[in-house]
Amino acid sequence: GAGVSQSPRYKVAKRGQDVALRCDPISGHVSLFWYQQALGQGPEFLTYFQNEAQLDKSGLPSDRFFAERPEGSVSTLKIQRTQQEDSAVYLCASSFSGGASYEQYFGPGTRLTVT
Amino acid sequence: DAKTTQPNSMESNEEEPVHLPCNHSTISGTDYIHWYRQLPSQGPEYVIHGLTSNVNNRMASLAIAEDRKSSTLILHRATLRDAAVYYCILKAGNEKLTFGTGTRLTIIP
Repeated sequence: GAGVSQSPRYKVAKRGQDVALRCDPISGHVSLFWYQQALGQGPEFLTYFQNEAQLDKSGLPSDRFFAERPEGSVSTLKIQRTQQEDSAVYLCASSFSGGASYEQYFGPGTRLTVT
Repeated sequence: DAKTTQPNSMESNEEEPVHLPCNHSTISGTDYIHWYRQLPSQGPEYVIHGLTSNVNNRMASLAIAEDRKSSTLILHRATLRDAAVYYCILKAGNEKLTFGTGTRLTIIP
């Protein structure tokens, strides 16, 4: 079946531009996560949705980062006034349900380069 | 989140079994042990998870120590496609995964 998809796969933005990254989770998955992965590092948690509710946004690095999932399916991560330190791979993951025993399925990521 | 400790890197010969260790001495009773791997230029991929008993699936086996302070991911017959960074993660009820630095596994042909 279809996995998690993300678009665009690659994005180059000039410093100061706004960007929007899209995630299509696996159909029927309640939980959706965003992670940021810098070069050579493991992914780091950004934010988590259960259906349309954003239950945890503790990992968002600044108020320039904003995520939404208005209908409980597709999610968008928006970064305003991009900075060079925002350059990273942004990963989306979905899970059938919450809880410690459920695995997460990851998309291929969006590689953002800020010049 | 409780912390895990893994070797930075390991090598294994192709078609040989691979045992990837993970220490998690501060694990709590409700933490599940999850393993993910990340191939080059791809998103992480779920491998296996368990709570107390050993687990097997089509990809690997997970051996959990009786005191749950360590676990071992076992790839029964390594192939070149298994070259990846392997992450051992403790997952509580707070949903998110906390990745460490993982073990970079190199498969020697």
